[in-house]
Amino acid sequence: QSALTQPRSVSGSPGQSVTISCTGTSSDVGGYNFVSWYQQHPDKAPKLVIYYVDNRPSGVPDRFSGSKSGNTASLTISGLQAEDEADYYCCSHAGSYTWVFGGGTKVTVL
Amino acid sequence: QVQVVESGGGVVQPGGSLRLSCAASGFSFMGSDMFWVRQAPGKGLEWVAFIRFDGSNERYADSVKGRLTISRDNSKNTLHLQMNSLRTEDTALYYCAKSGDWAFDVWGQGTLVTVSS
Repeated sequence: QSALTQPRSVSGSPGQSVTISCTGTSSDVGGYNFVSWYQQHPDKAPKLVIYYVDNRPSGVPDRFSGSKSGNTASLTISGLQAEDEADYYCCSHAGSYTWVFGGGTKVTVL
Repeated sequence: QVQVVESGGGVVQPGGSLRLSCAASGFSFMGSDMFWVRQAPGKGLEWVAFIRFDGSNERYADSVKGRLTISRDNSKNTLHLQMNSLRTEDTALYYCAKSGDWAFDVWGQGTLVTVSS
């Protein structure tokens, strides 16, 4: 149950796009399409923004998109806005009803 | 309104015990798998435990196996986490979360557990 690998931080100017990578193994990210992403603002509970690799829950802006290639999943935020500044976590099913999170990425809007 | 509300956190000495609860409302609790997730101060999210909708299957992170036990009472729409043999590294904000589409789709605000002498 090793944590998935995410960059510690990414940044971009308003209107730009940023992409966060999430690298695991064939036992988690590469083995299942049960990859999800969470946004967490300071002192707030996490919020689901992507599930099943590339699906958005109702109410999540379409500037959030997800993808996966091999053992690496990615979250892209297009048209970056000030309110997107937050911590983002990936998560993957790892078999037998176990899950593993990434270490988190801080997104800074310059 | 779909929500989960955690309670039961507090300060406990190393080796002590604590029981967390999570009250669910606004959705079919008896039809939903549930999770506990924790976040140590200033750190990232860590999956802790999972329980099937009918209580038929439980899974735990290696870091808590044998010390923490997840359970549920579908008649009371309540999820529990029994925490025994607590260690200082168990200090964290503990979140209850509902499972939806193999993701954590509803989260509570968390309850803080502090293990300290």
